[in-house]
Amino acid sequence: GENVEQHPSTLSVQEGDSAVIKCTYSDSASNYFPWYKQELGKGPQLIIDIRSNVGEKKDQRIAVTLNKTAKHFSLHITETQPEDSAVYFCAASGNDMRFGAGTRLTVKP
Amino acid sequence: GAVVSQHPSWVICKSGTSVKIECRSLDFQATTMFWYRQFPKQSLMLMATSNEGSKATYEQGVEKDKFLINHASLTLSTLTVTSAHPEDSSFYICSVDWGALSEQYFGPGTRLTVT
Repeated sequence: GENVEQHPSTLSVQEGDSAVIKCTYSDSASNYFPWYKQELGKGPQLIIDIRSNVGEKKDQRIAVTLNKTAKHFSLHITETQPEDSAVYFCAASGNDMRFGAGTRLTVKP
Repeated sequence: GAVVSQHPSWVICKSGTSVKIECRSLDFQATTMFWYRQFPKQSLMLMATSNEGSKATYEQGVEKDKFLINHASLTLSTLTVTSAHPEDSSFYICSVDWGALSEQYFGPGTRLTVT
């Protein structure tokens, strides 16, 4: 089955800096890669996703890149703000969806 | 995307009792819903896939007789934790499979505490 690894587990940045979270997956059949933001005590919220026929996707301050050959994908957040502080999960989906372990992002004002 | 609700948002029950959690798809007819469990500071662990009108598919290691799932309509799936024990205390989250594009939209979660 699919195995998703996510790094780093914690990330602290200064407001205005960029944050990058990286994930690798094992199943070459995976073709959909979403990113979720989870705030304390809430369910995960889909913030951006990318499919295997695309190498990069951007939505305002967030972007995701995908390297299918290397089986890794990354989330990039630019101009970080304190409200970006949350736990971020990557996931890979083919036959089923598997999640990374999560990254706790803290943006210091 | 789909809008998903869960009820209750939190529940405290005594050991040995059963608790039912509801997951509703408010604006989308969901043939498939998923139930996850999340322990503190951990990732989401898929428990089962809930299919409308048929039996749920459980992940390895999840007891189907303990975690009863009913998906009787396209907008409602329920998870019943039977004979709950303190180790069942967790955050239970459902999601909706939004069509053929593999997107999942999550509910707000239910915090279960078993005393």
